[in-house]
Amino acid sequence: AAGVIQSPRHLIKEKRETATLKCYPIPRHDTVYWYQQGPGQDPQFLISFYEKMQSDKGSIPDRFSAQQFSDYHSELNMSSLELGDSALYFCASSESDRGMPDIQYFGAGTRLSVL
Amino acid sequence: GENVEQHPSTLSVQEGDSAVIKCTYSDSASNYFPWYKQELGKGPQLIIDIRSNVGEKKDQRIAVTLNKTAKHFSLHITETQPEDSAVYFCAALISGSARQLTFGSGTQLTVLP
Repeated sequence: AAGVIQSPRHLIKEKRETATLKCYPIPRHDTVYWYQQGPGQDPQFLISFYEKMQSDKGSIPDRFSAQQFSDYHSELNMSSLELGDSALYFCASSESDRGMPDIQYFGAGTRLSVL
Repeated sequence: GENVEQHPSTLSVQEGDSAVIKCTYSDSASNYFPWYKQELGKGPQLIIDIRSNVGEKKDQRIAVTLNKTAKHFSLHITETQPEDSAVYFCAALISGSARQLTFGSGTQLTVLP
């Protein structure tokens, strides 16, 4: 079965540079979520999109922005990178089902290293 | 917001023994509780979930129990195998409103052969 695809898998940037992470949800899934996971920590919710509109916002820095495109893929744009942004970034997708909890399926993640 | 606490942070068991991981949540409005398994360098993989209208759910060697009154839920793995070694995360979600998952801090399970 198709899964959530994230690219790139690894990314190395220097301080103050920008980075763009991409996420391709499972076909027919209409909601995308972004999470950040620091070393030894649990995933922290950043932002989500439903039907190309931002639906929820978590602890996403102002330096980060994201969007969901017409084909439902999503991009997380990160500017003025800081050392503390080094982490695993996961994308998850779900298919909304009115009245039922959305089951979130995660991609393999992008490991961002800021030097 | 929701707060999820998870215990223990590390757990070592002998192959064939059972493993139990416990979580508590703070928001009584939470109504969906998934468990994820994360292997090194990989994304969280959903292994089982439970909704608030159910007290227990089982899938082969894995079971989850939910006590809504006490606001806690547990993962039970029986007949553990070395390939069960991973980090396990519990999570909670308030369906219908903000749909982000709030995760517990994770449990590193090691199954010793």
